[in-house]
Amino acid sequence: NAGVMQNPRHLVRRRGQEARLRCSPMKGHSHVYWYRQLPEEGLKFMVYLQKENIIDESGMPKERFSAEFPKEGPSILRIQQVVRGDSAAYFCASSPQLDNTEAFFGQGTRLTVV
Amino acid sequence: DQQVKQNSPSLSVQEGRISILNCDYTNSMFDYFLWYKKYPAEGPTFLISISSIKDKNEDGRFTVFLNKSAKHLSLHIVPSQPGDSAVYFCAASGMAGGYQKVTFGTGTKLQVIP
Repeated sequence: NAGVMQNPRHLVRRRGQEARLRCSPMKGHSHVYWYRQLPEEGLKFMVYLQKENIIDESGMPKERFSAEFPKEGPSILRIQQVVRGDSAAYFCASSPQLDNTEAFFGQGTRLTVV
Repeated sequence: DQQVKQNSPSLSVQEGRISILNCDYTNSMFDYFLWYKKYPAEGPTFLISISSIKDKNEDGRFTVFLNKSAKHLSLHIVPSQPGDSAVYFCAASGMAGGYQKVTFGTGTKLQVIP
């Protein structure tokens, strides 16, 4: 039973480009959460999605960031026109039920904006 | 507004001794608390949790204590082992927006010295 899979593990983008981060939840999990970890900071909640629905996006920056979890395929976190401040580790977690206590995390995508 | 605080960014402990990691929270609506462990270049993994109706939960070498009146919890690791060296995140969850939302602290980096 594969765990939460995130790809790519490392992503380098130039300022102004788009970054797409993918997350495949564990088998049987229909709830996905995205977190961002900035250097020297903790895990900051970004968005909570179920299949085809955004449940809570209160942690998403108002501009340039979007997320989706389509009926088929992985969840995607999209960052448009990246800036240096977007450089961080982005983690995805999944759970089989409504709440994300004891959710399972992927290994993260480290985004570097140059 | 940091609702979950880990005031010690780092901690060094001798192998075989006790490690005590502390965490404070401000939101009295939190009713479930968790500790996650994170190795470099990996995602966080769930370690131990405690419900607000309890004041102690033990799992092998790991014990979590909860003091609701002080809004404080701690993780005790005894005896500490070099493999315990990692970043430990405290997390708290409570109902928000119709689901059990988890808020993470900033983490404490534990180093166990052989």
